[in-house]
Amino acid sequence: DTGVSQDPRHKITKRGQNVTFRCDPISEHNRLYWYRQTLGQGPEFLTYFQNEAQLEKSRLLSDRFSAERPKGSFSTLEIQRTEQGDSAMYLCASSLMLAGGLEQYFGPGTRLTVT
Amino acid sequence: GDSVTQMEGPVTLSEEAFLTINCTYTATGYPSLFWYVQYPGEGLQLLLKATKADDKGSNKGFEATYRKETTSFHLEKGSVQVSDSAVYFCALSGGGGGNKLTFGTGTQLKVEL
Repeated sequence: DTGVSQDPRHKITKRGQNVTFRCDPISEHNRLYWYRQTLGQGPEFLTYFQNEAQLEKSRLLSDRFSAERPKGSFSTLEIQRTEQGDSAMYLCASSLMLAGGLEQYFGPGTRLTVT
Repeated sequence: GDSVTQMEGPVTLSEEAFLTINCTYTATGYPSLFWYVQYPGEGLQLLLKATKADDKGSNKGFEATYRKETTSFHLEKGSVQVSDSAVYFCALSGGGGGNKLTFGTGTQLKVEL
């Protein structure tokens, strides 16, 4: 059973450094989502792709954040010039956009700590 | 915009007790409603869903009914087990916010022997 995978699982970085996370969705899923979750809160939407097209970005996604899904398969989320406020769990989810295909399946997340 | 409100936790119950976790929502249009569960050290898992008014979602003994008149989707289980200890998130999609999920803040459930 190959679910959504994320790499790395944990990342510690110093303020001002750039970081990049990878997400591999379930293979036949054409939609891929990124969320951010801070302690004691529910996940908050960042952005999503349908195939390789980025269709929506949240206002939470400042210009330091960029996401790509170059061939409609895996996706990367890059944060430039990290700040302490970027410390959070970054979650990836995927879904299959067919009739009724509303379920999103989540990966284990990447925990980012900015020191 | 869309929003989800959940009862605050932690909720502490004895094994075999009845569980209710309240969830209400605000959304335009006709959202779909979900409950996700996060066990300690694990990722979010879909527990159940309902896509239209009066639908009942159920899984693993948990149930929730989509109540449009009260904009609610309360989670219930008749007899909880220690293994149900987790954080439960109510969420919606397909309202005014499109396909993304809008989550509540989560409710921690602790079940004791």
